[in-house]
Parts: sequence; C-alpha cells; structure tokens
Amino acid sequence: GAVVSQHPSRVICKSGTSVKIECRSLDFQATTMFWYRQFPKKSLMLMATSNEGSKATYEQGVEKDKFLINHASLTLSTLTVTSAHPEDSSFYICSATRNYEQYFGPGTRLTVT
Amino acid sequence: QQQVKQSPQSLIVQKGGISIINCAYENTAFDYFPWYQQFPGKGPALLIAIRPDVSEKKEGRFTISFNKSAKQFSLHIMDSQPGDSATYFCAAAGSTGNQFYFGTGTSLTVIP
Repeated sequence: GAVVSQHPSRVICKSGTSVKIECRSLDFQATTMFWYRQFPKKSLMLMATSNEGSKATYEQGVEKDKFLINHASLTLSTLTVTSAHPEDSSFYICSATRNYEQYFGPGTRLTVT
Repeated sequence: QQQVKQSPQSLIVQKGGISIINCAYENTAFDYFPWYQQFPGKGPALLIAIRPDVSEKKEGRFTISFNKSAKQFSLHIMDSQPGDSATYFCAAAGSTGNQFYFGTGTSLTVIP
C-alpha cells in the first residue's frame, strides 16, 4: 500500500502560537490530499480538501483563516493552525488518494496549553 | 445529513467468534466501499474494500458482504482475535474518488 507520513506526530504549544503540520506522500504523487480532525472516540471530521497548486476547499464551519492549508507540491501538504487555543487541541490526520484508495497518515496529536 | 450510517457503536466479541459491523448508505452514486481499521493514537489503515459489481470480497479473516439493492454492506471478521480490538470505520465514495463519506465508527473489543 501507499505510504503517507505526518510530522510531527505530537506537538504541545502555548495558546496564541501557530503550529505547522506536514503531510507527505512518500511513494506516490498526490494531487489531492485531505485534512481531518478527530475527537476522542469520534469519527473523522473532514476539514478541507487540499489541491496541489490551488486553494484548498474548506468544509462548512471550518475557519480558513485559522486553519491554513498549503499544497505546494505533489507530495507535500501543510496545515498551519494559527493563533492556537486550547479548543484546537485534537488529533489531526491527513490522507492522500491513489488509484481510488485513500491512504491515511499516522496523525498528529496537538495539545494547546 | 449522515451519508453513511454505521452500527453498532461498540461491539464485544469472544476470541474465536465472528465480529459483524454493518453500514448503510443512501446515495446510489457511491461505487467504492472501503473499511478502515484504527488503533488508538494511530491513523486509519485501509483494511479491505469492495465495488458494487461483486456481492462479497474476502481477504484472510476479513470479508465484506455487499447488498446493492438494500444499499447495505457489512464487515465480517472471522475467528476474531484480541489483536483485532480497534475502531472500524466504513466509508463510501463516488466515481471521482475525491469525496469519501465515513461512518461513525465501531469500537471492537475481542476478549480472550
């Protein structure tokens, strides 16, 4: 199967700071990547669809100015949580599609203190 | 509106038993139905997937049964093992493959 990596796997930051999470497709090119947020014992909540070379498409209710997405190349998408607050603490997961199948990264645990 | 409905929310099965998780969908345009397995603190991993041109797909101990007329599909885990204890998500996607709809997840616990 395809491999998708995320970095960092875990990050703790202070309230008001910004945090960048990277998502990479290691062995394939992905024109489209997805960013999800997952709360404990809950399902995946799609935040946005990241398209290489163009603006991301955000789901309703997701603040685009707070969750900045950049898909600069066919193997890298980044999610920046700006001015993070404790309520942004969550598990963030990216995924990339190859041959109709969606492959997920290992996730990033963000804790905002 | 929940595009994919999944049940049960949680499931406890004895080791060696059969675990069955069910999903239902509404949109007949969906033509790809994957199942994902997620362990705590990890991202979901693709387990097995099916397209509507077949009614069943089996990979090892995992089987998907698909009922197109009823718009339902299910995951069967045969000879369930404690290592199968995880959260399972069903999903459905359309022909573009760019929009996946996930079920709410089933927490499976296999007791020794």
